[in-house]
Amino acid sequence: NAGVTQTPKFQVLKTGQSMTLQCAQDMNHNSMYWYRQDPGMGLRLIYYSASEGTTDKGEVPNGYNVSRLNKREFSLRLESAAPSQTSVYFCASTQAGGGRRSGTYEQYFGPGTRLTVT
Amino acid sequence: TQLLEQSPQFLSIQEGENLTVYCNSSSVFSSLQWYRQEPGEGPVLLVTVVTGGEVKKLKRLTFQFGDARKDSSLHITAAQPGDTGLYLCAGGSQGNLIFGKGTKLSVKP
Repeated sequence: NAGVTQTPKFQVLKTGQSMTLQCAQDMNHNSMYWYRQDPGMGLRLIYYSASEGTTDKGEVPNGYNVSRLNKREFSLRLESAAPSQTSVYFCASTQAGGGRRSGTYEQYFGPGTRLTVT
Repeated sequence: TQLLEQSPQFLSIQEGENLTVYCNSSSVFSSLQWYRQEPGEGPVLLVTVVTGGEVKKLKRLTFQFGDARKDSSLHITAAQPGDTGLYLCAGGSQGNLIFGKGTKLSVKP
């Protein structure tokens, strides 16, 4: 099992360009998440999908869109990149399908995408 | 807004020393998780605690969940260079996780 995979690993964009970050998991997990990690800010939730066919905003959704393509894949799109979106992006998945107790389930993280917007 | 504050933010110690890092909040969480993240990689779960007062041990690491489920601590005995990394606590809330900013630990040989 590969676990959670993310592509690309590194990306440099110019302001205003668009791109899609890809994420896939092979653990048959119901829920998937996109986080960004910035120095001194910890991990902040951008969007999540509690189950196939549903998506919800997290703490910092502005400037991003997501698509839960199927149970395995959850993509994050930047329509018009800005320097403030320079960050490391992590995708994660968990077995739980949402609900109050889903926070007790282990989240499995991908290796991250390092994005620089100039 | 629920927040988790971790302290200290940075910690640099010699191999063999003991250390404790803390995770505090004014909010009650249904569960508390600890993750370790190494440079260039994603976080990896170390432990989940769900009951107030719960203590879990993982080799030289001891995790405690506060009685009121608002805080947690991680104690490492006889730290080794392999313990170096970013330690993140995360609280379960309404189905998602809220992460602290982390404690960056460096253990020097």
